[in-house]
Amino acid sequence: QKEVEQNSGPLSVPEGAIASLNCTYSDRGSQSFFWYRQYSGKSPELIMFIYSNGDKEDGRFTAQLNKASQYVSLLIRDSQPSDSATYLCAVTEGGKLIFGQGTELSVKP
Amino acid sequence: KAGVTQTPRYLIKTRGQQVTLSCSPISGHRSVSWYQQTPGQGLQFLFEYFSETQRNKGNFPGRFSGRQFSNSRSEMNVSTLELGDSALYLCASSSGGDYEKLFFGSGTQLSVL
Repeated sequence: QKEVEQNSGPLSVPEGAIASLNCTYSDRGSQSFFWYRQYSGKSPELIMFIYSNGDKEDGRFTAQLNKASQYVSLLIRDSQPSDSATYLCAVTEGGKLIFGQGTELSVKP
Repeated sequence: KAGVTQTPRYLIKTRGQQVTLSCSPISGHRSVSWYQQTPGQGLQFLFEYFSETQRNKGNFPGRFSGRQFSNSRSEMNVSTLELGDSALYLCASSSGGDYEKLFFGSGTQLSVL
């Protein structure tokens, strides 16, 4: 079983819709959770991090964490074509940052 | 403030050769992490250095090694290259290992022929 799992997609949503990206992890001891965005041909950039159960909002982005279910998600409200990218979930495990395979998001105008 | 700088940007090598990649972190950052990114495996953690000491290591063979200098610059070395080593190698820096401030460089694209 992979340590951090994401649906590879592609996930296609129309402009203005809510995009929902999901991630599960295997290590119950993980304490920190991150979402990175990677545009094609570019390096990953951090967009959200969350440590506690519940929701964390930053502009159009909301990260949700449920440690009991070992589940973390990212919601993007009012999706824009410029949000089209691969979204990487990352989880700390034993001092290392472990990434999921990423979910490719495509926002159609 | 300059970002994370990786050199070279592209590299072509043949099987059996060795290669050294360089990473200069953001000024003031003391932690440098290295990742390998491939379409099939995604981003995989190689190792992390903090104040010239390897603090964490991923599950890669001993052919992959690294070091960090007193100015926090880091190098990664791969010996006896294999075709499967073809990948994008990304370096990331942070001020003290706090992952919420992990900044990635543009990467070195290595092709092994």
